[in-house]
Amino acid sequence: EVQLMESGGDLVQPGGSLRLSCAASGFNFSNYAMTWVRQAPGEGLEWVAGIAGGADATYYAHSVKGRFIISRDNSKNTLYLEMSSLRAEDTALYYCAKDGLLAVAGRFDYWGQGTLVTVSS
Amino acid sequence: DFVMTQSPDSLAVSLGERATINCKSSQSVLYSSNNKNYLAWYQQKPGQPPKLLIYWASTRESGVPDRFTGSGSGTDFTLTISSLQAEDVAVYYCQQYYTAPPYTFGQGTRLEIK
Repeated sequence: EVQLMESGGDLVQPGGSLRLSCAASGFNFSNYAMTWVRQAPGEGLEWVAGIAGGADATYYAHSVKGRFIISRDNSKNTLYLEMSSLRAEDTALYYCAKDGLLAVAGRFDYWGQGTLVTVSS
Repeated sequence: DFVMTQSPDSLAVSLGERATINCKSSQSVLYSSNNKNYLAWYQQKPGQPPKLLIYWASTRESGVPDRFTGSGSGTDFTLTISSLQAEDVAVYYCQQYYTAPPYTFGQGTRLEIK
């Protein structure tokens, strides 16, 4: 059974930093691209970043480019999102999701339960 | 970037009746070389993460009931629930994956029971 478990969400001040993790199990992690999608309170879904299975390609939304870094450790079956220069508008529930292919393809077939990031002073 | 626009924003349908949700893309998501539409639909029930329902605009994900049907091509798409069940109450999102990222979702359509 595919399982994705996010962690690391917290209350952080504007300008601060945070690292999210997503522990994966139930599938061959290195064979699939992974992605982060966020959802602000009461709002819709926003794709944030994606990384290929071999970590040889990464992609970012315009809103986070230069501030967030997506990475993965295939030996630990774990996906990361390093967030810096956080803003109030980054407040959201952050989901990790499994892509359907090795390359970043954009079709997300499994999702975690999410971890909440709140940016506020 | 692609803009995905869903209509309506919310919808109330009686149990057993048909529900129809529309999604319009600002650009075509039909890839001519393989004749596939790079369009997915997700269902998000209250307090839960999204769930993939349909991809390639009309292919049901494994385990999705056949009352869910996706249709359309190019820029205009429809998700139809043929006979609404109580467990179908959710917000539904369309999403394009035609281009290299960023991928974009529609704003969502909230489906309720009338």
